[in-house]
Amino acid sequence: SAVISQKPSRDICQRGTSLTIQCQVDSQVTMMFWYRQQPGQSLTLIATANQGSEATYESGFVIDKFPISRPNLTFSTLTVSNMSPEDSSIYLCSVESRDSVIGKLFFGSGTQLSVL
Amino acid sequence: LAKTTQPISMDSYEGQEVNITCSHNNIATNDYITWYQQFPSQGPRFIIQGYKTKVTNEVASLFIPADRKSSTLSLPRVSLSDTAVYYCLVGDMSSNDYKLSFGAGTTVTVRA
Repeated sequence: SAVISQKPSRDICQRGTSLTIQCQVDSQVTMMFWYRQQPGQSLTLIATANQGSEATYESGFVIDKFPISRPNLTFSTLTVSNMSPEDSSIYLCSVESRDSVIGKLFFGSGTQLSVL
Repeated sequence: LAKTTQPISMDSYEGQEVNITCSHNNIATNDYITWYQQFPSQGPRFIIQGYKTKVTNEVASLFIPADRKSSTLSLPRVSLSDTAVYYCLVGDMSSNDYKLSFGAGTTVTVRA
């Protein structure tokens, strides 16, 4: 299993500001995923971050709004830029398991963001 | 990615078996079926994965008929702590470029 630490666990921000969320994994992983979960909704994949390459964004998400860094195999950051109340969500970092089950993801506990 | 359809919610009582059926009519040959559980204020947790027939682990069983157009997650003898949202995912896990897309999920409420 992988242990994922996300910081901050929650934050309240003013519109127009930016917040950077950190994701630290206790082992080296190739792929890291960032999800968003809006209140009462399911998870939506924002982007996939591989070390050494640009993140791959899903439809509806752009790098200018959600820049991602992946400086090494255990760490990634997601920035939510120029925030508006519509960005209020839980943001989750996840990594793939290293055991034999392909597609088995481990998730951090998430960052609950409220934008005023 | 194959679209999945699950019931929005299910109610049960402690000690009962809960069966959640997921429809995935457009499942592709290389697609696997994976189920996750999510408690409030936590990230989803992997429960079980299968390709065909039946898979069982210490938490649940997964039944997949021969045509693979649906699957059923079975939770034996549920307790109050099994109250959670359960997600059925279908995707090609054999590709390095795979992505996991979560559907709406099923909210299971276990009552005493």
